[in-house]
Amino acid sequence: DAGVIQSPRHEVTEMGQEVTLRCKPISGHNSLFWYRQTMMRGLELLIYFNNNVPIDDSGMPEDRFSAKMPNASFSTLKIQPSEPRDSAVYFCASSAQASGYQETQYFGPGTRLLVL
Amino acid sequence: QKEVEQNSGPLSVPEGAIASLNCTYSDRGSQSFFWYRQYSGKSPELIMFIYSNGDKEDGRFTAQLNKASQYVSLLIRDSQPSDSATYLCAVNSSFQKLVFGTGTRLLVSP
Repeated sequence: DAGVIQSPRHEVTEMGQEVTLRCKPISGHNSLFWYRQTMMRGLELLIYFNNNVPIDDSGMPEDRFSAKMPNASFSTLKIQPSEPRDSAVYFCASSAQASGYQETQYFGPGTRLLVL
Repeated sequence: QKEVEQNSGPLSVPEGAIASLNCTYSDRGSQSFFWYRQYSGKSPELIMFIYSNGDKEDGRFTAQLNKASQYVSLLIRDSQPSDSATYLCAVNSSFQKLVFGTGTRLLVSP
């Protein structure tokens, strides 16, 4: 299995520009998660989808952030306009949620975003 | 109070020793507990999960859960320099949602 795929792996942009991060979950997984990791705040859940439907977006910092999952094999996280404080590593993770227990989440390699 | 708390470390142990990593959580309704390892510049990878009170062993790793005390730990026996990493404790707070601690950095010296 190829694992969770994220692109780009690195992104450097200027303040005010639009940034789009992409994720392909593991085939067969029905849940997808977007996280942000910084030194100060650790790993924070931004939003998660179940069967392509957004379930909880309470972690999305503000209206500049949006996420979509048009189908089971693709999701995007968009930041518009970007700000320097958005600089972080953004991880996508997926899981095969079936039972009542929390299933293991498998992480992608992450996108390192630097907003100048 | 943070939902999941870990000592940031670093925890330094000599090669061959037992490393003990601890985690406390605030939500008594939590049912699933995970330990992830994260090497510098890499993504978190699952080490172990535990659902029931008691111990769960997998090779050199043992996870311990005490729901009454809201306490989870990870023991690494015969620690190796390759175990040097940050260990993240994660607890489910609601259906499918995991809350991560900020991690404990482990350093194993040869």
